[in-house]
Amino acid sequence: GAGVSQSPSNKVTEKGKDVELRCDPISGHTALYWYRQSLGQGLEFLIYFQGNSAPDKSGLPSDRFSAERTGGSVSTLTIQRTQQEDSAVYLCASSLAGGPNYEQYFGPGTRLTVT
Amino acid sequence: DAKTTQPNSMESNEEEPVHLPCNHSTISGTDYIHWYRQLPSQGPEYVIHGLTSNVNNRMASLAIAEDRKSSTLILHRATLRDAAVYYCILRDKAGGTSYGKLTFGQGTILTVHP
Repeated sequence: GAGVSQSPSNKVTEKGKDVELRCDPISGHTALYWYRQSLGQGLEFLIYFQGNSAPDKSGLPSDRFSAERTGGSVSTLTIQRTQQEDSAVYLCASSLAGGPNYEQYFGPGTRLTVT
Repeated sequence: DAKTTQPNSMESNEEEPVHLPCNHSTISGTDYIHWYRQLPSQGPEYVIHGLTSNVNNRMASLAIAEDRKSSTLILHRATLRDAAVYYCILRDKAGGTSYGKLTFGQGTILTVHP
């Protein structure tokens, strides 16, 4: 079946502009996660949605970062006033349910370059 | 949260078994042991997980020490496609910060020689 998809695959933006990254999780998966991977920081957690519960935003690096999940499906990660240190690969994952007994399926990522 | 320690890198020859170790001496009784891997230019991929007993699936086997302070991911016959970074991650089923998210360390870079 279809896996997790993300768009765009690549995004180049100028410093100070806003960007939106999209994630389409696997159908029926109630949990959705955002991570990012940069050369200096490795893979780091950003935010986690589980059903109708309040999201776990503990990994968002600043208030310029926000995410929403509409209708329990598609999610959008928004970065306002982008900075060069935001350059990274942004990865989305989904799982059938939250919690450690469920594996997370990752999308291919969006490579963001801030010039 | 309990921490994991893995070797920075390992090498193997194609078609030979590979044993990737992970130390987690401060593991709690409710921590699941998860393994993910990341192939070059791809997102991470789930490999296997377990709590107390050894586990087998089509990709690998997970051997968990009796005291649970260490575990070993076993690839029975390495292929070139198995060259990746392998991450050992603990996730607490009792809740806390590791319940939902994955916390990735540096992992082990596995090189497979033809």
